[in-house]
Amino acid sequence: EDKVVQSPLSLVVHEGDTVTLNCSYEVTNFRSLLWYKQEKKAPTFLFMLTSSGIEKKSGRLSSILDKKELFSILNITATQTGDSAVYLCAEQGGSEKLVFGKGTKLTVNP
Amino acid sequence: ETGVTQSPTHLIKTRGQQVTLRCSSQSGHNTVSWYQQALGQGPQFIFQYYREEENGRGNFPPRFSGLQFPNYSSELNVNALELDDSALYLCASSLAMGKNSPLHFGNGTRLTVT
Repeated sequence: EDKVVQSPLSLVVHEGDTVTLNCSYEVTNFRSLLWYKQEKKAPTFLFMLTSSGIEKKSGRLSSILDKKELFSILNITATQTGDSAVYLCAEQGGSEKLVFGKGTKLTVNP
Repeated sequence: ETGVTQSPTHLIKTRGQQVTLRCSSQSGHNTVSWYQQALGQGPQFIFQYYREEENGRGNFPPRFSGLQFPNYSSELNVNALELDDSALYLCASSLAMGKNSPLHFGNGTRLTVT
């Protein structure tokens, strides 16, 4: 069965720090890799990655995919307390379902 | 644009009972998926509906069943509740099956089974 592994599982930083979250996956018939932010309930969509080496960027957040090495990273620069959340990585393979990792819990202290 | 809405937000049931959770998909979305998220875990795929037909199912027993209606809203039914069914149940909709369309999630229903 497809497997998605995220690291670290938790991370505590100070405001202004830069963080890198990791996601590795094993999948057949890869279609896309997605990142979500979950603060309390609904995971909110951040990025969908389908091609290697093309960085997607939204404000202080960016993400890139390496299809050869089967991993993705999510970078957050100049972190703020509002970035505190669980960040979920999910892979979509040949079927329509998403396979999620356990998430990285990020805590940003003032 | 109306997002994904779920009801109820919280629910407490007793072991052995049955529960129905409801979901209205985002406007224009015809595909609905249900996920179960236990505490400290990522969401686990239960099943997906497209045009009122089940289109893919995860590793969940038959007592988990669902429906999709012509207006694309959906229900998740769980029979013979067990303590391990306590979780956040998330509904997600997407634009169209077979396309690279990200899932958009609702706020979920927190189910507690005692």
